[in-house]
Amino acid sequence: DQQVKQNSPSLSVQEGRISILNCDYTNSMFDYFLWYKKYPAEGPTFLISISSIKDKNEDGRFTVFLNKSAKHLSLHIVPSQPGDSAVYFCAASAGGSNYKLTFGKGTLLTVNP
Amino acid sequence: DGGITQSPKYLFRKEGQNVTLSCEQNLNHDAMYWYRQDPGQGLRLIYYSQIVNDFQKGDIAEGYSVSREKKESFPLTVTSAQKNPTAFYLCASSIAATGNTIYFGEGSWLTVV
Repeated sequence: DQQVKQNSPSLSVQEGRISILNCDYTNSMFDYFLWYKKYPAEGPTFLISISSIKDKNEDGRFTVFLNKSAKHLSLHIVPSQPGDSAVYFCAASAGGSNYKLTFGKGTLLTVNP
Repeated sequence: DGGITQSPKYLFRKEGQNVTLSCEQNLNHDAMYWYRQDPGQGLRLIYYSQIVNDFQKGDIAEGYSVSREKKESFPLTVTSAQKNPTAFYLCASSIAATGNTIYFGEGSWLTVV
């Protein structure tokens, strides 16, 4: 049973437009959520996180929104740049336990010039 | 530069052989982790260590072994008992095992030939 779902395997957007990556979760105990970006044959890079006590967190061009009632979070990238092209992983944990991080399968974002 | 170093980047193993992947960090992090990524899949936890001389099994520990004799080192041995060892292996670390962001190394590709 997949507790963290990224239902879109891929997403393509034009440079300068907004990219919206979605993530759904089923475990109501999850209280900390993270987004990682990954290039091929490299390790994931931490992008942004959000605690369940917030509904929005912003860092430069990246904003994460959390809707606890819908068990849904999204990552917005504005404006999108070609260098943003990568696989984005959503991850969640319960009780702050890093070793209990559960990852989604990832969404491949392609930003076209 | 501070970071997590994995070696080798690419490794080929014959069936029936054990192989050890190295992971070293100079971030002074207490907690270290090993994940496995298969194509089109999220990251799955193999083993984690919260502190020196202590480690725990993750979700897919069968066929793997680890040691944590030094704070900065967390090598992973892929044994001949691991049925499908071909994968991308990621080492990670965090300041502590709770409430902190996990940072990843560059990864190691293991191919069984």
